[in-house]
Amino acid sequence: AQSVAQPEDQVNVAEGNPLTVKCTYSVSGNPYLFWYVQYPNRGLQFLLKYITGDNLVKGSYGFEAEFNKSQTSFHLKKPSALVSDSALYFCAVRDRNSGNTPLVFGKGTRLSVIA
Amino acid sequence: DTAVSQTPKYLVTQMGNDKSIKCEQNLGHDTMYWYKQDSKKFLKIMFSYNNKELIINETVPNRFSPKSPDKAHLNLHINSLELGDSAVYFCASSQVRGQGWNNEQFFGPGTRLTVL
Repeated sequence: AQSVAQPEDQVNVAEGNPLTVKCTYSVSGNPYLFWYVQYPNRGLQFLLKYITGDNLVKGSYGFEAEFNKSQTSFHLKKPSALVSDSALYFCAVRDRNSGNTPLVFGKGTRLSVIA
Repeated sequence: DTAVSQTPKYLVTQMGNDKSIKCEQNLGHDTMYWYKQDSKKFLKIMFSYNNKELIINETVPNRFSPKSPDKAHLNLHINSLELGDSAVYFCASSQVRGQGWNNEQFFGPGTRLTVL
């Protein structure tokens, strides 16, 4: 079975400070990992993904995430937060060898960037 | 142009009614999905179609029936609506053939269903 955990319901950060949104996963094999962002009353938007190769993945809007196999983590980071980054962030995982099994999403972390 | 579109955006109806939500994607993708997002923002897959063939059918009441007339459309019909069906329903699409299951999904804007 595959699962993903986002341990924080809410993350608050001051504008200009670095931000981290945490994600840990569980799969039987190797993972495909994704981050999506949801702005109010909108659908999810893809931010970045880890497939293979370099553990540091760069994505949209200055976000990046680091795949850590030993800690089974894929934390989302940004060096300097903007008020416009305030949104709901979802981590998602699929086992690479699971065929057409569905993508499993975490419960989401609400990021609030304060001016 | 909107990549993944859904209609209607809002749907308010009485218990027991039957309703449909339509989804269209103009990205040329071969796979489409329906997700349900509950009031706590938890997102769960309901169905997935690949080239008009049902490939994922999670534990969903059989009052929910997806229909894919072609690769660009995936509609969701719901019979005998219940209070617990109130949620936001998202359609999504991705390209699997030639790309694999590691491809990102593109989401529609959602349909907010309220059952009274």
